[in-house]
Amino acid sequence: NAGVTQTPKFQVLKTGQSMTLQCAQDMNHNSMYWYRQDPGMGLRLIYYSASEGTTDKGEVPNGYNVSRLNKREFSLRLESAAPSQTSVYFCASSEVRAGTEAFFGQGTRLTVV
Amino acid sequence: GESVGLHLPTLSVQEGDNSIINCAYSNSASDYFIWYKQESGKGPQFIIDIRSNMDKRQGQRVTVLLNKTVKHLSLQIAATQPGDSAVYFCAEISYNQGGKLIFGQGTELSVKP
Repeated sequence: NAGVTQTPKFQVLKTGQSMTLQCAQDMNHNSMYWYRQDPGMGLRLIYYSASEGTTDKGEVPNGYNVSRLNKREFSLRLESAAPSQTSVYFCASSEVRAGTEAFFGQGTRLTVV
Repeated sequence: GESVGLHLPTLSVQEGDNSIINCAYSNSASDYFIWYKQESGKGPQFIIDIRSNMDKRQGQRVTVLLNKTVKHLSLQIAATQPGDSAVYFCAEISYNQGGKLIFGQGTELSVKP
């Protein structure tokens, strides 16, 4: 049982490049989330998905797009990376019927130069 | 707006003492309030939650208090141990917004042996 798996773990991009961060969960959860965490700061919600086929904006959606490919997978895309998007990105999943606990991946450390 | 350059508040306690970590929340309509623990280099881990219609909930060595009048949440850790050293975040979830999970500011707890 792997929980929440994020790939890649580390990435360096040049300004203007695009990339997709992948997230998959094997707990059959309906809800999935993407957060960013800047050094010494809290987690800010980028996008979330309450169920397969739905996505909603969080606190800081600008510059990002998401796809809930199926129940297991929720990807985050940066179309044109900017230095301000340098951060650690966390994916999480939860199941409303099982309680409030959200399970987090190990994070993707992204640097945009 | 963004709080650029701010660092997390720090709480330093002696091993064996009790710790109290505080949090102010913003959304009175949230359904649950939650505490997470984040160790260095890892994703956050669930500690305990409290439903919005409750004032107090106890877990193993932890107690969460909710004061809705002043929108204040606290986490009490009894007999703090070195393994409790981490950053602690409060969070709130709203089910009428599709399970939107928002994190508050964290507090870094440092336990001195």
